[in-house]
This record gives sequence, C-alpha cells and structure tokens, in this order.
Amino acid sequence: GAVVSQHPSRVICKSGTSVKIECRSLDFQATTMFWYRQFPKQSLMLMATSNEGSKATYEQGVEKDKFLINHASLTLSTLTVTSAHPEDSSFYICSASSAGVNTEAFFGQGTRLTVV
Amino acid sequence: AQSVTQLGSHVSVSEGALVLLRCNYSSSVPPYLFWYVQYPNQGLQLLLKYTTGATLVKGINGFEAEFKKSETSFHLTKPSAHMSDAAEYFCAVSDLGSSASKIIFGSGTRLSIRP
Repeated sequence: GAVVSQHPSRVICKSGTSVKIECRSLDFQATTMFWYRQFPKQSLMLMATSNEGSKATYEQGVEKDKFLINHASLTLSTLTVTSAHPEDSSFYICSASSAGVNTEAFFGQGTRLTVV
Repeated sequence: AQSVTQLGSHVSVSEGALVLLRCNYSSSVPPYLFWYVQYPNQGLQLLLKYTTGATLVKGINGFEAEFKKSETSFHLTKPSAHMSDAAEYFCAVSDLGSSASKIIFGSGTRLSIRP
C-alpha cells in the first residue's frame, strides 16, 4: 500500500505555544486528507477533512481557530494546534486518499502530543 | 448517518483459540466496511475491507470477516490466535461509491492473548 508519513512522532510543548504536525503522502498524490484525534484507550474521532487547495471542513465541536489545517499541496497537509493547553494532549493521526471513487485512505503512524 | 458498534471493549482468548471480534454497523447507503489493527503508539494498519462482491473477505495475518447485510454485521475472526495478535482492533464504515469519504470508527476492542 501507499505510504503516509507523519512528523513528528512525539512532541512536548509548553502551554500557550503552538505546535505543527505534518502529514505527507510519499508515493501518491493525496487530494484529500483527514485528521483524527484519539484519546487514551478510545477510538479515533474525525476532526476535519481537507481537500488540496481548499479550506478544511471541520466536524461539529472542533474549533477551527484552534486546530488550523493547511493542505497546500498534493503531498502535504499540516495541523497546527494553536495556544496549546494540557487538554489538547492526545494522539493525532492523519490519513490520505487520492482522487477517484472507492479509493482507500492510508494512515500515518500518528503523533503523540503532550502539553505541559 | 453512519455508525459502528463494537461489542466488547476487551476480549481475551488463549493462544491457539478462535478469535471473534464483533461489529455491527448502521448505514443508509451501501457501506464500505473495514477492520484496522493498532499497536501501542502506532498508526492504523488495514486488516481487510469489504466493498462489493464476495461477502467473506480474507485479510492479512489470517484474519477474515463476513459481511451479513441481514444482520448488519461484519464480525472479524481468526481460527487460531497468536501472541502477536494482541492489539487494539477497530471496525469502521464509510460511504460506498463516494470519493475519498471519511471513515467512521467504532470504539475499538482490545484483544489480549493468554499463553
């Protein structure tokens, strides 16, 4: 299958700072990328869907000003957690899919964010 | 709206025993159905998926699942558990025929294997 790479795999930041997480499709063009959040021992909750060159579509309850998503190219999407607080600590996972009907989404390895 | 229900947040079986992880879905349109496995602090790996056609789907690592429309189920099975199967398993659903549709995940089932 195709490869999706997330960076960093782990990050610790101080409260009030911002942190950027990158999601790259290494061997295909990802027209759509999805960002998920996973709390300990819980399922993945979809945060937003981004299409290359367009504004992201956020799920209900997700603050778009806090979780900034940029999908400027067909191989890169970024999630920036702004003014991070300890409650933002979580596991963030992206997935990427190419254009076309019935295409599979491939997942990155995830980023563990800890806000202290 | 689509949803997935996984029965049992934790399943424990002996090594060599049958593995059965239950999943029921709700969808107003023909669904895509998936099973993913997640090891600690890692991303998701696709085990298998159902789109159309044969209702018994074989995946990696000896797992298989059967789509039963009448029961709205997509249970995951493996005839003989191995210690390396210990992980978190997620059932998921998305829209069939939609381009790059979002995937809705179940709550997950943690599989433990007893020696």
